[in-house]
Amino acid sequence: ETGVTQTPRHLVMGMTNKKSLKCEQHLGHNAMYWYKQSAKKPLELMFVYSLEERVENNSVPSRFSPECPNSSHLFLHLHTLQPEDSALYLCASSQDLIGRFGELFFGEGSRLTVL
Amino acid sequence: QKEVEQDPGPLSVPEGAIVSLNCTYSNSAFQYFMWYRQYSRKGPELLMYTYSSGNKEDGRFTAQVDKSSKYISLFIRDSQPSDSATYLCAMSQVSSYDKVIFGPGTSLSVIP
Repeated sequence: ETGVTQTPRHLVMGMTNKKSLKCEQHLGHNAMYWYKQSAKKPLELMFVYSLEERVENNSVPSRFSPECPNSSHLFLHLHTLQPEDSALYLCASSQDLIGRFGELFFGEGSRLTVL
Repeated sequence: QKEVEQDPGPLSVPEGAIVSLNCTYSNSAFQYFMWYRQYSRKGPELLMYTYSSGNKEDGRFTAQVDKSSKYISLFIRDSQPSDSATYLCAMSQVSSYDKVIFGPGTSLSVIP
């Protein structure tokens, strides 16, 4: 069992739907991340939160909206998505954003299919 | 030119073989180098981490960094079917997780 839990594991949605992905970390970490993983492509960093403050938004379309209500929870709200947004969405956490380099802890991902 | 390049495979080897997985990169300022392993339907997990150049060994795994050639390698000795996974290289200039750049991953199958 991983210290980072993502729900749902699978999601199918139409282009006009609104849905949310949830991530919870049980590791006491201060930084959380959303990544997009598409087949044969590198992990793309979407959003970074450190101590519940958004640090970075890597030119992600506004149809993706993150929310970090506390240091243990991270959401990704989805609306009016496109078929090309179909991918595995990974949540990750780390002890801190900067410091002695350790590791990113990933959840198992939410597989999103946009019809 | 992509910042980090990695042969996507798939790479298929017999059990017991020595596996060599490689990444090349273009940014000479990278100092932190990592290998993550991702099993099917799971998230990546850190396998090895090295700072700057040199080798690091952990059991059957050896990570090697050649900064002069901008080339990193992961060697797996006595490969096992349980090593079947996708291996992602990752690197960063600074010790800040939001600056980590990942390769696309190499898919490895170890055949019993």
